Amino acid sequence: EADIYQTPRYLVIGTGKKITLECSQTMGHDKMYWYQQDPGMELHLIHYSYGVNSTEKGDLSSESTVSRIRTEHFPLTLESARPSHTSQYLCASMNVVPGQGFTYNEQFFGPGTRLTVL
Amino acid sequence: AQSVAQPEDQVNVAEGNPLTVKCTYSVSGNPYLFWYVQYPNRGLQFLLKYITGDNLVKGSYGFEAEFNKSQTSFHLKKPSALVSDSALYFCAVRDITGGFKTIFGAGTRLFVKA
Repeated sequence: EADIYQTPRYLVIGTGKKITLECSQTMGHDKMYWYQQDPGMELHLIHYSYGVNSTEKGDLSSESTVSRIRTEHFPLTLESARPSHTSQYLCASMNVVPGQGFTYNEQFFGPGTRLTVL
Repeated sequence: AQSVAQPEDQVNVAEGNPLTVKCTYSVSGNPYLFWYVQYPNRGLQFLLKYITGDNLVKGSYGFEAEFNKSQTSFHLKKPSALVSDSALYFCAVRDITGGFKTIFGAGTRLFVKA
């Protein structure tokens, strides 16, 4: 079954730790995104990728970094976590049909990772 | 610049009554509009979209949305609300200026009371 996965679902860590949030999708989508969302609040785009070896910063400044070595995998890394990083992180992907562009397609979201930094 | 606004932080409705969640947009060019729903501790789920064609768009779970170009609105509707519809609803517009990005509204929390 085609889907998008995020691990871990919940993470509680101490300040200064390095963490990687995993995101994988089995749909072969080229476009992938990371959003930061405080519970029940709006989404803020922090990173996105057009495809393999392509990454861009989003609208919200973030101290995190991403990589895209494989189509299906788009991990997000925090080198040194701080309490201000406490939030929910949502990964999403989108299909682009060759010749049709991206305009019409919806995004598929993972279940999210709830990060708490103590 | 593309933008989308959801004027209500919260909407309360009784079960069985019709519901409306409002959304207005501002775009340059043709609008490509979406509605998503988020249940507690979950990611967003796609409900429906307007690309072109009929102004009334039907989507998942009995939801529909009405596109109104003159009022630049894309309100989400359902004829008869269920308690299980209680969730956070996001309106979104595709950013056609580049970057394959989607611009989301701030969200509207829907409470359906039994």
